[in-house]
Amino acid sequence: EAGVAQSPRYKIIEKRQSVAFWCNPISGHATLYWYQQILGQGPKLLIQFQNNGVVDDSQLPKDRFSAERLKGVDSTLKIQPAKLEDSAVYLCASSPSTDPNYGYTFGSGTRLTVV
Amino acid sequence: AQSVTQLDSHVSVSEGTPVLLRCNYSSSYSPSLFWYVQHPNKGLQLLLKYTSAATLVKGINGFEAEFKKSETSFHLTKPSAHMSDAAEYFCVVSVGDYKLSFGAGTTVTVRA
Repeated sequence: EAGVAQSPRYKIIEKRQSVAFWCNPISGHATLYWYQQILGQGPKLLIQFQNNGVVDDSQLPKDRFSAERLKGVDSTLKIQPAKLEDSAVYLCASSPSTDPNYGYTFGSGTRLTVV
Repeated sequence: AQSVTQLDSHVSVSEGTPVLLRCNYSSSYSPSLFWYVQHPNKGLQLLLKYTSAATLVKGINGFEAEFKKSETSFHLTKPSAHMSDAAEYFCVVSVGDYKLSFGAGTTVTVRA
């Protein structure tokens, strides 16, 4: 079974620029998550999708972050404009169910550096 | 709201000696608890999970954890550390709304 694919692996941008990350979940997984992991901290949930609908985006800074999941499969996360504090690893995860007891599969992440 | 506290930010052990990673949780309800491992430049991998069944949970790679409600703890152990165990470990709690709340992580280094 293929894992969760994320691209790019690394991205360096200047503050105030925009950036987009892409995630391809495991085939058939209805639930998709984006997490932000700042250096030295545990991952923090940004947004959760169930198929192509948003279940929870309460932690997403909506003034600069946006995410979509077209057709309930791939997802993109965008930051516009980026700030220095957005430097982090952005992790995508998918699951066959919203129940975490079914297990999440995480991608390797995109490491963003804002200079 | 639920949360977890990992009591050690860094643990260093010699190869072949036991590993203990400590985690305390806070929850008003019966929690589900997990341990995830993150190797450098790799995705998070589930080690084991507790979901109100047996309090002693066995996971992959020889790891196990014990749920102690009286102590609100879910410590992770392994009898004999291997060099490949060097990684970041996260204690995670989930209650009711199925959201995962991660601890800050414990970095494990293994000395030859």
